[in-house]
Amino acid sequence: DIQMTQSPSSLSASVGDRVTITCRASQGIANYLAWYQQKPGKVPKLLIYAASTLQPGVPSRFRGSGSGTDFKLTISSLQPEDVATYYCQKYKSVPPFGQGTKVEIK
Amino acid sequence: QVQLVESGGGVVQPGRSLRLSCAASGFTFTDYAMHWVRQAPGKGLEWVAVIWFDGSNTYYADSVKGRFTISRDNSRNTLYLQMNSLRADDTAVYYCARDPYYAPIYYFDSWGQGTLVTVSS
Repeated sequence: DIQMTQSPSSLSASVGDRVTITCRASQGIANYLAWYQQKPGKVPKLLIYAASTLQPGVPSRFRGSGSGTDFKLTISSLQPEDVATYYCQKYKSVPPFGQGTKVEIK
Repeated sequence: QVQLVESGGGVVQPGRSLRLSCAASGFTFTDYAMHWVRQAPGKGLEWVAVIWFDGSNTYYADSVKGRFTISRDNSRNTLYLQMNSLRADDTAVYYCARDPYYAPIYYFDSWGQGTLVTVSS
């Protein structure tokens, strides 16, 4: 089974900082990678699919990149409303999620 | 707009059964595969089950195989999850989630608000 590993598990950054979350697959998954945002107490929300395609309505400060086994989610300028846990997920078949990265404001 | 509204959660004793429902609106239900995804308290997301747009195929996570059954009633725009032989580690918020396609590609573009299932004696 393919495993998804995110790093870091948590981070704290200042408003306006550039933030990068990494997701690594244990085997190549082409670009079958999605990113979700889950704000505290809220429902998960799809941010990005196909590794880099923004879901409609998602702010352009979010960017996904990568293919194969190594992927990144970058927030170009962290905003207070971006406080959340972010999950990567391999798809196209039974989907493991990453363990999540909690993003906080310093 | 897409709306998914789960119901049926609650407190249940180990070994008992529960049926969850998810009422869909705002889109053509019969055009999409549907999933159940769960989240144990304070934990991450775990995919549970999927059903094709027409109900012709279903797949399950190993952790629930043989105990849970996903189904849908396209005439009622409703998704179901029948959960039998419940265990403490089934305690979670259960979300219904829409796949972008009729045959699943296994990512989730819309989510319900979730319903909490607590398995406890």
